[in-house]
Amino acid sequence: DAKTTQPNSMESNEEEPVHLPCNHSTISGTDYIHWYRQLPSQGPEYVIHGLTSNVNNRMASLAIAEDRKSSTLILHRATLRDAAVYYCILSHDQRGGKLIFGQGTELSVKP
Amino acid sequence: DTGVSQNPRHKITKRGQNVTFRCDPISEHNRLYWYRQTLGQGPEFLTYFQNEAQLEKSRLLSDRFSAERPKGSFSTLEIQRTEQGDSAMYLCASSLRTGLSYEQYFGPGTRLTVT
Repeated sequence: DAKTTQPNSMESNEEEPVHLPCNHSTISGTDYIHWYRQLPSQGPEYVIHGLTSNVNNRMASLAIAEDRKSSTLILHRATLRDAAVYYCILSHDQRGGKLIFGQGTELSVKP
Repeated sequence: DTGVSQNPRHKITKRGQNVTFRCDPISEHNRLYWYRQTLGQGPEFLTYFQNEAQLEKSRLLSDRFSAERPKGSFSTLEIQRTEQGDSAMYLCASSLRTGLSYEQYFGPGTRLTVT
């Protein structure tokens, strides 16, 4: 399984944008890039996913590099509720869609 | 939409006892996954089902672990002869095929403590 690399932790101020980076230099052509987050004492929560093009949804935006070897999750205005561990994961239906979690990035948001 | 539910939410057991956890996925979701998470680590994949068929088991899943999804709806995860190293949060997730990528919805987990 292709691996991802993320910073262990990041800090942000409330109401400011946050850019969470992820490197996945060994990504294969059919891997989708998924982001999940896990708030304290909860199960992981789906955030967004994409293949090649940038994606937007109500929670976040996903910017994917042209060579697909890296991506960035963008939270446009961080709130205190966004404090969580964010996981960048490569997944594909051919592998059953299973998620292989790394350590993730722990995001703290300061008021 | 009631979401994924898991029972019990907490379980304390003595070493050597058997335990069983239940997961009720979102209705009509055909895939169901089990993960295990220890403190400070990301979740680890254990096994998954497509309908009632168990299609993959991780090498992490020793012979003491067994999972079933008898009618393609709810699933159970049983651990026999529990060990202290089994203490963890056991997470269940379900998904519905909408293309080549499956968005997973997670339950709140069952926290197991083996004393």
